[in-house]
This record gives sequence, C-alpha cells and structure tokens, in this order.
Amino acid sequence: GAVVSQHPSRVICKSGTSVKIECRSLDFQATTMFWYRQFPKQSLMLMATSNEGSKATYEQGVEKDKFLINHASLTLSTLTVTSAHPEDSSFYICSAKRLGWNQPQHFGDGTRLSIL
Amino acid sequence: DQQVKQNSPSLSVQEGRISILNCDYTNSMFDYFLWYKKYPAEGPTFLISISSIKDKNEDGRFTVFLNKSAKHLSLHIVPSQPGDSAVYFCAASEDTNAGKSTFGDGTTLTVKP
Repeated sequence: GAVVSQHPSRVICKSGTSVKIECRSLDFQATTMFWYRQFPKQSLMLMATSNEGSKATYEQGVEKDKFLINHASLTLSTLTVTSAHPEDSSFYICSAKRLGWNQPQHFGDGTRLSIL
Repeated sequence: DQQVKQNSPSLSVQEGRISILNCDYTNSMFDYFLWYKKYPAEGPTFLISISSIKDKNEDGRFTVFLNKSAKHLSLHIVPSQPGDSAVYFCAASEDTNAGKSTFGDGTTLTVKP
C-alpha cells in the first residue's frame, strides 16, 4: 500500500509560536503533496499544492507568508505555521500522490493544532 | 460555489443491506472521481475511483456508478458491515489541474448490527 506519515499528531502551544508539521511518503515517491485544513463538520479545504523542488501553489485566501511550505524531496513536505494565533487552531492534513493525474491521494492522519 | 456536493450529511443502514451514497458535481471538466473513507482521528483512505470514460467500477463490495449526463455519481456498498461505519468523501479532479481534487462535505454512514 501507500503509506503517508504525518507528524506530530497533536500540538498545543502558545500564541506567537511557529509550528512545523512534517508529511512523509514512506513507500513511494510523491511528486505532489497537498496540504488541507479541516474545520469541524466541514470538508477538507485545500490550502496549497506542493511539488518537489518548486514553490508551492497556494489557494486563494491562504497566506503564503503565514503557511510556509517546503517540499525538499520526493518523500518529504513540511508546513510551518508561523507566529500561530488561536484562529489558526485547526486540523491540518497532508496527502501525497504519485505522478499521474489519475492517481489517488494518500493521506496522513492529520495534525490537531491548538493555539492557546 | 461548491463544485462537489454530498447532499446527505448522514445515512443509517442495517447490516447486510445496501448502502448508497450519492454525490453531485457541477464542473463538466471533472474527469476522474474518487471515494475516500475516513475514520475518526485518522486521515481519509482511498476506496475506489472511476474515470469519466466508464460508467461503473466495481471492487469487491464497493461499486461506483457515474452518470455524466446527470453529473452524478454514487457509491454502493453491498452487503454493508458495521466496520463500514465512517465518513465517506466524494472527490473529483480534472487532468489539467495538477492532480488537485475537489472534495464534497462528506456523508457519515452508520451501519447498525
């Protein structure tokens, strides 16, 4: 199968802290990774698309300076929430896919971020 | 404007019966459709997909039907099992859009023993 590991699973920190979330594809090369945010009882909201070796493409309304994405290798992408505030508290989830438009996404188990 | 809609937030079915989850879309450029299943505190897992050149794809107990003219797809689970209880997300993508998928809001399926 295709395994995606997301770490950490839960973060609780003070306002103003920067938080880094890692997303790793463990058994396949992920040419594209996606970062989502999910609010309670709502669907997955795509934040950005990350391709290995290039700058991430952010969705409209997502601050790229706030949510820094790095995709340095075919198996690792990171999302850094800079100077987090309580309104950034949410469930963040990553996915990774192989090359090809008709490949499914494989998701990590998400990160619950709580900013005090 | 929500391009992928799952109008039923929840569905309850008796074990052994058929579960039918529905999904409608508005973007005629979508050409690949997927269903994901999500348990609490876990990420979604890919379940089954269908290309727009087909109208049916079957994998064990799971069958996805696509009606392009109606812009509608459905997921059938037969027979339903209590372990199928989860949130099911419908997703759609187009090959010119960098592999991005647009997700519906999900339907919570409860299969009662």
